[in-house]
Amino acid sequence: EIVMTQSPATLSVSPGEGVTLSCRASQSVKSNLAWYQQKPGQAPRLLIYDASARATGIPARFSGSGSGTEFTLTISSLQSEDFAVYYCQQSNNWPPLTFGGGTKVEI
Amino acid sequence: EVQLVESGGGLAQPGGSLRLSCGASGFPFRSYSMSWVRQAPGKGLEWVSYISSSSTTIYYADSVKGRFTISRDDAKNSLYLQMNSLRAEDTAVYYCAREDTRSSGCSFDYWGQGTLITVSS
Repeated sequence: EIVMTQSPATLSVSPGEGVTLSCRASQSVKSNLAWYQQKPGQAPRLLIYDASARATGIPARFSGSGSGTEFTLTISSLQSEDFAVYYCQQSNNWPPLTFGGGTKVEI
Repeated sequence: EVQLVESGGGLAQPGGSLRLSCGASGFPFRSYSMSWVRQAPGKGLEWVSYISSSSTTIYYADSVKGRFTISRDDAKNSLYLQMNSLRAEDTAVYYCAREDTRSSGCSFDYWGQGTLITVSS
């Protein structure tokens, strides 16, 4: 099973700042990596698939990069609606599909 | 508009059974592979099960293998999860999710609102 590790667990930032979230895979997942955003009481929302492709309707301030075992999600200028928990998920070697533990972006 | 609506959640006793349903609309359900993903209270996301568009491929997480059964009825645009031998650790919000066909891997572009399963005596 591929283990996905996200860091940091919590990130405290101010609106308007840029942030970079990290996701590391225990073995190569090539570019089969997705990022999701989840707000309290809501379902996850797909942000990025195939490591760097933005999903439909996702603002350009969200970008993904990386391949192999190291990935990043960058939010260029945090808006108030971006405070949430972010998860990465691999689908290169499955089952099982595996998620990272999440990074909470808070004010 | 794509919609996924789960139902069937509630309280179950340890060792008991529940059947979750996910009604789909706004897209050609028969053409999409689907999954169930769960989230224990205050915890992260855990993939549970996958069924391909033709039902020919089915996968389970080890934690539910032999206890849960995924199925679909394309005529009814519905996805199901039969959950038997329930344990306290199965307590979670269960989401149905649609596989994103644009992805070269398996990511999920639409999710239901989730249904809460509580396993407790």
